[in-house]
Amino acid sequence: DAKTTQPPSMDCAEGRAANLPCNHSTISGNEYVYWYRQIHSQGPQYIIHGLKNNETNEMASLIITEDRKSSTLILPHATLRDTAVYYCIFFPGGTSYGKLTFGQGTILTVHP
Amino acid sequence: GAVVSQHPSRVICKSGTSVKIECRSLDFQATTMFWYRQFPKQSLMLMATSNEGSKATYEQGVEKDKFLINHASLTLSTLTVTSAHPEDSSFYICSARVLAGVPGQYFGPGTRLLVL
Repeated sequence: DAKTTQPPSMDCAEGRAANLPCNHSTISGNEYVYWYRQIHSQGPQYIIHGLKNNETNEMASLIITEDRKSSTLILPHATLRDTAVYYCIFFPGGTSYGKLTFGQGTILTVHP
Repeated sequence: GAVVSQHPSRVICKSGTSVKIECRSLDFQATTMFWYRQFPKQSLMLMATSNEGSKATYEQGVEKDKFLINHASLTLSTLTVTSAHPEDSSFYICSARVLAGVPGQYFGPGTRLLVL
């Protein structure tokens, strides 16, 4: 399975932007980059996804490099409730098969 | 986004009993559902892939006779942990895949199983 590489942990001050990097040098042309987060004892929550272009929604922004080998999830104004494990995952485009494989993710701690 | 529900949210059972966990896609049809297991301080591990109307595909090391999966409709999949033992205590999470429009996969809130 395709693999992503994320730093194991990051800290961020409340109110500041949190920038979470992800390396995915083996991503294929039709694979999307998806970001999820998991708050303690809950199921993963969808955040954002992208294929080639940068994306923004009400939760975050996603910056994908031109060669698609890495991306950065940006939480523009982190709050204490954003403390969670963040996962960067490949998603196979347009197929019902293909498994989402979770790595260890990045533990983001937002502190006051 | 699409909503996936799970029931029950937590269950405590005695060793040797069976436990059924339901997973429902509430506002969309899911031809494919997935079951994950998560132990404390670890990442999610895929157990099996379930396609509506066909047998589930299990990951290596997952006993199909112990973890029975039924995907009888496009909105419901069930996981039955048979003859549960304390080592089966874990957080079980289901997920449903959306293919219409932009593909996505959405997760349920999880079920905490404790086997005494």
